[in-house]
Amino acid sequence: GAGVSQTPSNKVTEKGKYVELRCDPISGHTALYWYRQSLGQGPEFLIYFQGTGAADDSGLPNDRFFAVRPEGSVSTLKIQRTERGDSAVYLCASSLGPTGLTEAFFGQGTRLTVV
Amino acid sequence: AQTVTQSQPEMSVQEAETVTLSCTYDTSENNYYLFWYKQPPSRQMILVIRQEAYKQQNATENRFSVNFQKAAKSFSLKISDSQLGDTAMYFCAFRVSDNYGQNFVFGPGTRLSVLP
Repeated sequence: GAGVSQTPSNKVTEKGKYVELRCDPISGHTALYWYRQSLGQGPEFLIYFQGTGAADDSGLPNDRFFAVRPEGSVSTLKIQRTERGDSAVYLCASSLGPTGLTEAFFGQGTRLTVV
Repeated sequence: AQTVTQSQPEMSVQEAETVTLSCTYDTSENNYYLFWYKQPPSRQMILVIRQEAYKQQNATENRFSVNFQKAAKSFSLKISDSQLGDTAMYFCAFRVSDNYGQNFVFGPGTRLSVLP
């Protein structure tokens, strides 16, 4: 596709369950970002990949959160033992490269609701 | 650490009028980049305009322009001839300049309503 694709667009899960959120970046984009956006707030950085490696995972809130990008394209954000506080929109973005003025293109996000 | 502040949680403007959204930031870096992103109800963030800190000339994109005051660490967005389709959340974002892909730091956003 032409843009960043995120699936599912909505996910409802029970507290304590495991969830995976998928991001398909724009073809050829080496940089990939995950953000979390709580209601009424700006996106909060989680993790950044350059190629297959996580160049910066300082935003992951705790060890329940983990993300992979094994082939340098699709990325999966994994959340274990979900808690109600994990409810948010999870945004993925990709860009051609990591630096400066390069535009980041965002997907439409996955709305995660933990009940 | 870098922070971005948007002091106007909500604003409204009449169609065809001009509105200015404010943004201030805090950083010890000298070389960085500033962005305004728009987020309509569809949730997809869309780039509106961007500015390099070392360029004194304010960026302009059609009806959108910025007033960048580096010394004051201010980066406001002016929307001229407002249209109904401009209704959205607007986020100011900051990014340092290095080769390690610093992430974007976003402000809390301003909800803009364009009234018919």
